[in-house]
Amino acid sequence: DVKVTQSSRYLVKRTGEKVFLECVQDMDHENMFWYRQDPGLGLRLIYFSYDVKMKEKGDIPEGYSVSREKKERFSLILESASTNQTSMYLCASRTRGLYEQYFGPGTRLTVT
Amino acid sequence: KQEVTQIPAALSVPEGENLVLNCSFTDSAIYNLQWFRQDPGKGLTSLLLIQSSQREQTSGRLNASLDKSSGRSTLYIAASQPGDSATYLCAVRYSNSGYALNFGKGTSLLVTP
Repeated sequence: DVKVTQSSRYLVKRTGEKVFLECVQDMDHENMFWYRQDPGLGLRLIYFSYDVKMKEKGDIPEGYSVSREKKERFSLILESASTNQTSMYLCASRTRGLYEQYFGPGTRLTVT
Repeated sequence: KQEVTQIPAALSVPEGENLVLNCSFTDSAIYNLQWFRQDPGKGLTSLLLIQSSQREQTSGRLNASLDKSSGRSTLYIAASQPGDSATYLCAVRYSNSGYALNFGKGTSLLVTP
């Protein structure tokens, strides 16, 4: 079974803090994704990576950066957390080609 | 922007009913379409993937169909159970959007005993 894990289920941070969200997949997938999910807005793509050290902006990259130094790990970084970044963050991965995308359990981030 | 729409937004049915969830998309040029299930506060679980060349896919009590020409997909759930209660999300990979999936906002399903 494909397994995508995220470092925390719940996280509470203060405004201005630097926040790291980690995602690890164990299926040697080339593509990895970060989404945020908000009521009424659905899932929105923040960033994705199609291979190691490669990254592309999604629909809402402002205020975020990413890092992919190893194939299995994709990190989302909030450089200076703000209250409007309170959300559910979901990581996903997929092998290259026209295949299924698999999601992690999500991290509920609250910024106070 | 290429959109994905799911109707209805919420649905309540008694246990045992067969039901259909709808997904519509704005461009017939797609690679594939994927249905997901999401339980409250959890991540997404993949249910079915339909490639653009396919008309339907089945897994257990679930059957998903795809009609590219009309821009529609349906998820059919047979003999619904309370454990089927969840939000169901449709996601389309458009041919010109590269890697990204475009998600609908979901249908929240409640199956009552």
